[in-house]
Amino acid sequence: NAGVTQTPKFRILKIGQSMTLQCTQDMNHNYMYWYRQDPGMGLKLIYYSVGAGITDKGEVPNGYNVSRSTTEDFPLRLELAAPSQTSVYFCASSYKGELFFGEGSRLTVL
Amino acid sequence: KQEVTQIPAALSVPEGENLVLNCSFTDSAIYNLQWFRQDPGKGLTSLLLIQSSQREQTSGRLNASLDKSSGRSTLYIAASQPGDSATYLCALNSGGYQKVTFGIGTKLQVIP
Repeated sequence: NAGVTQTPKFRILKIGQSMTLQCTQDMNHNYMYWYRQDPGMGLKLIYYSVGAGITDKGEVPNGYNVSRSTTEDFPLRLELAAPSQTSVYFCASSYKGELFFGEGSRLTVL
Repeated sequence: KQEVTQIPAALSVPEGENLVLNCSFTDSAIYNLQWFRQDPGKGLTSLLLIQSSQREQTSGRLNASLDKSSGRSTLYIAASQPGDSATYLCALNSGGYQKVTFGIGTKLQVIP
């Protein structure tokens, strides 16, 4: 099993551009999450999903959108990128309360 | 609101030493607690998961304990090795799959 896979690993965006961070998992987990990690702060939940077709906002959803058309995939869309969205983004899935993380996507907005 | 604190923020020890990492939390009504390891530029790797009804979990040289009454969890690393150098984070699930609070982590350096 590959676990949770994220692409791209690195990306530089200009202010106002849009992009999608891809996340896929092969563990057949219903629960999936997007977090962001900023220096000196704990991970913050952006969006989560409890199954295909069901998504909900987390703690810091502004500026982001998600979709969940299949159990495997949970892409995160950034619209109109802003410098405040410079961060490391982690996708995760969970089973029986245990979290499994991807390797992360480092995004810089200039 | 659950708050999670990890002290110290950084720790440097000589190889072979046994060490304890601390995780404190303010709300004892938790579902589970998970310890992670994060290497620079990498994702979080799950080390141990302790359910609310459990007192400790062990995996190899790692032992994690949970004391809800005192709002504390410890991660014990026996016979530390340079390969243990990483940042260790704890995460508390307060019930509900979206209610996970992460600590900032303790950055561990094991000196050969």
